[in-house]
Amino acid sequence: AQSVAQPEDQVNVAEGNPLTVKCTYSVSGNPYLFWYVQYPNRGLQFLLKYITGDNLVKGSYGFEAEFNKSQTSFHLKKPSALVSDSALYFCAVRDRNSGNTPLVFGKGTRLSVIA
Amino acid sequence: GAVVSQHPSRVICKSGTSVKIECRSLDFQATTMFWYRQFPKQSLMLMATSNEGSKATYEQGVEKDKFLINHASLTLSTLTVTSAHPEDSSFYICSAPPPLAVPGTQYFGPGTRLLVL
Repeated sequence: AQSVAQPEDQVNVAEGNPLTVKCTYSVSGNPYLFWYVQYPNRGLQFLLKYITGDNLVKGSYGFEAEFNKSQTSFHLKKPSALVSDSALYFCAVRDRNSGNTPLVFGKGTRLSVIA
Repeated sequence: GAVVSQHPSRVICKSGTSVKIECRSLDFQATTMFWYRQFPKQSLMLMATSNEGSKATYEQGVEKDKFLINHASLTLSTLTVTSAHPEDSSFYICSAPPPLAVPGTQYFGPGTRLLVL
């Protein structure tokens, strides 16, 4: 079975400070990992993904995430937060060998960047 | 880039009526589409997998007779909420994996907010 845990419901950070949104996962094999962002009343927008290769993945809007296999984590980071980054962030996982199955999502973390 | 659209974006209906939501892949063919439901401040819950030319696959606990899914063509899947009740009020999102993309890649529609009075 596949699962994703986002331990924080809410993350507050001051504008200009670095931000981290945590994600840990569980799959039986090797994972594909994704981060999506959702703005109010909108669908999900893709931020970045880890498929293979370099553990540090850079994505849209200055976000990056580091795949850590030993800790089964894929935390989302940004060096300097913007007020416009305030949104709901979802981590998602899929086992590489699970065919054309959909992603499994975490419950989401609401990021609030304060000016 | 690949785009998935949904129509309508918002719908209000009376209890007992049926509502149809369309999901379209605009520039690629999708033999599979996924339907999710999102409750306020909660994650996406996969409802069903829509398969072109065959029956949809429903997740455990999802009533197939209530949430009718039809994948009529390679670019269109519809979700019909039959005999809607207030508890069906939710945000419904569809997604589709584009062909030849990295496995796990899904393009999401903008969502449909359903309010049942």
